[in-house]
Amino acid sequence: AQTVTQSQPEMSVQEAETVTLSCTYDTSENNYYLFWYKQPPSRQMILVIRQEAYKQQNATENRFSVNFQKAAKSFSLKISDSQLGDTAMYFCASAYSGAGSYQLTFGKGTKLSVIP
Amino acid sequence: DTGVSQDPRHKITKRGQNVTFRCDPISEHNRLYWYRQTLGQGPEFLTYFQNEAQLEKSRLLSDRFSAERPKGSFSTLEIQRTEQGDSAMYLCASSREGAMLYFGPGTRLTVL
Repeated sequence: AQTVTQSQPEMSVQEAETVTLSCTYDTSENNYYLFWYKQPPSRQMILVIRQEAYKQQNATENRFSVNFQKAAKSFSLKISDSQLGDTAMYFCASAYSGAGSYQLTFGKGTKLSVIP
Repeated sequence: DTGVSQDPRHKITKRGQNVTFRCDPISEHNRLYWYRQTLGQGPEFLTYFQNEAQLEKSRLLSDRFSAERPKGSFSTLEIQRTEQGDSAMYLCASSREGAMLYFGPGTRLTVL
């Protein structure tokens, strides 16, 4: 079984500043993926960034980057130059391939507010 | 690429009634997932289809829940004899091979 823990229910950041969202996970699998999803208010969930566990290099997508610490089972998301449109719930998730599927296990989310 | 669509977007029903939701995945995606999201929680896996075959079901999917994907394209999720605890957002996601899931906008169910 996999578990994902997000210890920060809510966070806020000033526009143009940098913020880091924390995530820890637990899995007994060797091959797994880690994700950050963004869910804006009343809008659908979209993928922000993905990390394959076998890759040592941290994933980056424009202003979004991760700090993947495999031994510590930590997967934090850094948002640089925060924008008002980054206001959303952010969910950390893990997935492994079981029976051919990639079931996602989500954390409870962090509500991020970007303040003008 | 039109994305994953779900219908209806909102459903209000009385306890004990049956409801059915529809999901249309991205056209070339052979994998389809249903998740449930309650207030203040992350989504929880319900069930998974590869083409028309339902390959995995969560223990969250009680006997009152049934899902189908008859031709390997759209899927339906039916809840019989709804209970207030069924109130949630029901999310559909699709993917091709691999772990890249694309989510739909969800169907918000309210059971009175």
